[in-house]
Amino acid sequence: DGGITQSPKYLFRKEGQNVTLSCEQNLNHDAMYWYRQDPGQGLRLIYYSQIVNDFQKGDIAEGYSVSREKKESFPLTVTSAQKNPTAFYLCASRAGGMNTEAFFGQGTRLTVV
Amino acid sequence: GQQVMQIPQYQHVQEGEDFTTYCNSSTTLSNIQWYKQRPGGHPVFLIQLVKSGEVKKQKRLTFQFGEAKKNSSLHITATQTTDVGTYFCAGPGETSGSRLTFGEGTQLTVNP
Repeated sequence: DGGITQSPKYLFRKEGQNVTLSCEQNLNHDAMYWYRQDPGQGLRLIYYSQIVNDFQKGDIAEGYSVSREKKESFPLTVTSAQKNPTAFYLCASRAGGMNTEAFFGQGTRLTVV
Repeated sequence: GQQVMQIPQYQHVQEGEDFTTYCNSSTTLSNIQWYKQRPGGHPVFLIQLVKSGEVKKQKRLTFQFGEAKKNSSLHITATQTTDVGTYFCAGPGETSGSRLTFGEGTQLTVNP
């Protein structure tokens, strides 16, 4: 079954702790993305990667880090430097190129207490 | 940098009424995509427009791409409760086509 998987669905962390969100795809897509969504708001781009071992900052990269060691995986680490980390995080992938549709995972809802 | 803006942010309609959301970009777009996110769900691709002035229909949904390729609209005729959700437009980055920038979305509520 092809798709994009995010885990876990819900995540709770204490303030000051780093936390890593998982994103795996078996669609053989080159490009992968991380977005943050706050209640009633749109999708803001955190990081994206066009190819393995390469990634670019999006609009709100501060306090986040990523890696792209494998084509199918693009984990996002929310560091303690992120001042307001509680949000809904969405991972997406595309086959590559600007004329392809994005496929999204189910999302991870992170709550920092 | 490139900005993609959508209006209105919220729209409440009675079932059977029409609905339109508008998307405007600060730069010319090579294409524009539309997505729908149901409450509690994730965005799902609806359609892509590429040509200047292009109009595409999907049942009760009509999508338009402006002549200058800087704006787009989504019109729903005779809304149904199944249309509830947030509708997003998205465009490629100005300097990187792989970058995908979303508008703020229009949240549609349909009263039965």
